[in-house]
Amino acid sequence: AQSVTQPDARVTVSEGASLQLRCKYSYSGTPYLFWYVQYPRQGLQLLLKYYSGDPVVQGVNGFEAEFIKSNSSFHLRKASVHWSDSAVYFCAVSAHSNNRIFFGDGTQLVVKP
Amino acid sequence: GGIITQTPKFLIGQEGQKLTLKCQQNFNHDTMYWYRQDSGKGLRLIYYSITENDLQKGDLSEGYDASREKKSSFSLTVTSAQKNEMAVFLCASSIADREEQYFGPGTRLTVL
Repeated sequence: AQSVTQPDARVTVSEGASLQLRCKYSYSGTPYLFWYVQYPRQGLQLLLKYYSGDPVVQGVNGFEAEFIKSNSSFHLRKASVHWSDSAVYFCAVSAHSNNRIFFGDGTQLVVKP
Repeated sequence: GGIITQTPKFLIGQEGQKLTLKCQQNFNHDTMYWYRQDSGKGLRLIYYSITENDLQKGDLSEGYDASREKKSSFSLTVTSAQKNEMAVFLCASSIADREEQYFGPGTRLTVL
């Protein structure tokens, strides 16, 4: 079965700095990949998704992610973070084999003013 | 666009009590999900349903029942509430079972 690892439970960056949140997945085929964001006391919202094609996908609010098949990774990036980006970010993967989405444990992003 | 509504927002029950959480979506999506999110943790799948009257067990189905009597609604029942299952329960829907999911705001369960 597939799985997702987000190795950083918490990341702290200064406002205006660049950001990378790491995600590695386990699946032998070509997965569907997602990044979601969860603000306090809310449900999850989709930031971006990769199904096929260009491995660099653009999302909302200046986020992007790159699918690197050889590394089984789908890291999330942003060139310049804002204090409002403080939230929990979840990476997720789905596959043909069992028709489900599996979520990582999330990375808490703290943006310092 | 559409919306997912979860009721109630907050649910307080006694240990051993049977409790029901409700979810409605107006996306006209086929697939609906129930997840449990413990404090500071990721999501664990309890049940999902790929169409009306269908139910599929997830990784955490023991202690829960679910019901999908209409395409737009999906209910979750905690059969006997326990203190160690205080969490936020998230409902989601998707157009198909591999596709992106849309989430409701959650129901926060407290067990006394």
